[in-house]
Amino acid sequence: DTAVSQTPKYLVTQMGNDKSIKCEQNLGHDTMYWYKQDSKKFLKIMFSYNNKELIINETVPNRFSPKSPDKAHLNLHINSLELGDSAVYFCASSPLGGQRGGGYTFGSGTRLTVV
Amino acid sequence: QKEVEQDPGPLSVPEGAIVSLNCTYSNSAFQYFMWYRQYSRKGPELLMYTYSSGNKEDGRFTAQVDKSSKYISLFIRDSQPSDSATYLCAMSADKIIFGKGTRLHILP
Repeated sequence: DTAVSQTPKYLVTQMGNDKSIKCEQNLGHDTMYWYKQDSKKFLKIMFSYNNKELIINETVPNRFSPKSPDKAHLNLHINSLELGDSAVYFCASSPLGGQRGGGYTFGSGTRLTVV
Repeated sequence: QKEVEQDPGPLSVPEGAIVSLNCTYSNSAFQYFMWYRQYSRKGPELLMYTYSSGNKEDGRFTAQVDKSSKYISLFIRDSQPSDSATYLCAMSADKIIFGKGTRLHILP
């Protein structure tokens, strides 16, 4: 059973389109995250939700909107896709206070290519 | 100065060698220190974590933290080809900040 699952694994789309990435965790964790990993492998946090409530919102364009219908799901919707949005997007989850060394469990990533 | 600095490599070593991976950081508020391993086309997985200064050992892996020097290390003994991956250091106070990762190749 996959602990953190993301769909789709690959997404190729044209500039200007709107797309969504879904994430689900079955670990019973309270906190979920979206990370972006660019071509240089730099992993940068975008958003963090704790039990459906947004707690971290880094400097991310308004075109990116996370939605958490319940604490097991965190989706990411991207409007008006741009070439620079091409990256691998990782969903992760952690127990409350996971940043205190307990660590995160990551999904396998969604490779987004904007053409 | 970036919060977390990590040499991207690649680092190539022969099988069986001891590998040393390092990160430096600038934020003295960091208290929790982690190492993640990421295989190609996979998500990062937590390998080790330590709190504050000191050493922690788990099998062939040893994590070391020197808060006075703002320097952390991961040592891999008896390296195996299956250890070939990207290793990301990470540290946190209120949120986790990742290093850029070091690509490691273990040559059979």
